[in-house]
Amino acid sequence: QQPVQSPQAVILREGEDAVINCSSSKALYSVHWYRQKHGEAPVFLMILLKGGEQKGHEKISASFNEKKQQSSLYLTASQLSYSGTYFCGTEFGNNDMRFGAGTRLTVKP
Amino acid sequence: KAGVTQTPRYLIKTRGQQVTLSCSPISGHRSVSWYQQTPGQGLQFLFEYFSETQRNKGNFPGRFSGRQFSNSRSEMNVSTLELGDSALYLCASSLGRGLTYEQYFGPGTRLTVT
Repeated sequence: QQPVQSPQAVILREGEDAVINCSSSKALYSVHWYRQKHGEAPVFLMILLKGGEQKGHEKISASFNEKKQQSSLYLTASQLSYSGTYFCGTEFGNNDMRFGAGTRLTVKP
Repeated sequence: KAGVTQTPRYLIKTRGQQVTLSCSPISGHRSVSWYQQTPGQGLQFLFEYFSETQRNKGNFPGRFSGRQFSNSRSEMNVSTLELGDSALYLCASSLGRGLTYEQYFGPGTRLTVT
């Protein structure tokens, strides 16, 4: 079952923050986040395992709420280079990865 | 270390034909997954191969098949092509199966069916 991402698109000014959510109706074992720039392959950002662990990478961090079956990606003080489509991939314990439809993020100067 | 490579990068086929796409994973990676990407649909999981065996399969018709060789290289085959099969086909490799392995994506093969 494909996870649901929200919002579908967001436009920011440089320096602004954004939150992208990824929800599932099934129990999650892990959530993967990827970013894809136009015309390029998706690039791995981070993996979160069930347990509510929060991870961070520079100014991009994510959380995993096991009870809500939801993960959120936080982008703080956004930069132009953050523009792209963000995908969450959910895995239910059988190594079967299902990706959301993506959130298109545009950062403007 | 070389990344994931896919060949060909672009392909134009006619309805009814069949096509074979190739994916070479990162050296040492044993798991290869295939995805179909279309506008608005995101990444749709096709199947995963590990140690030459198909481990998981997504909700695609039997026209979509694949295989993996002993060197972990993988091929995907689509028979009796339909217009709706036009998409970017991505393969991704990972070191192993399991929750902690990130996937490394190739540049994709853009298939156009006319």
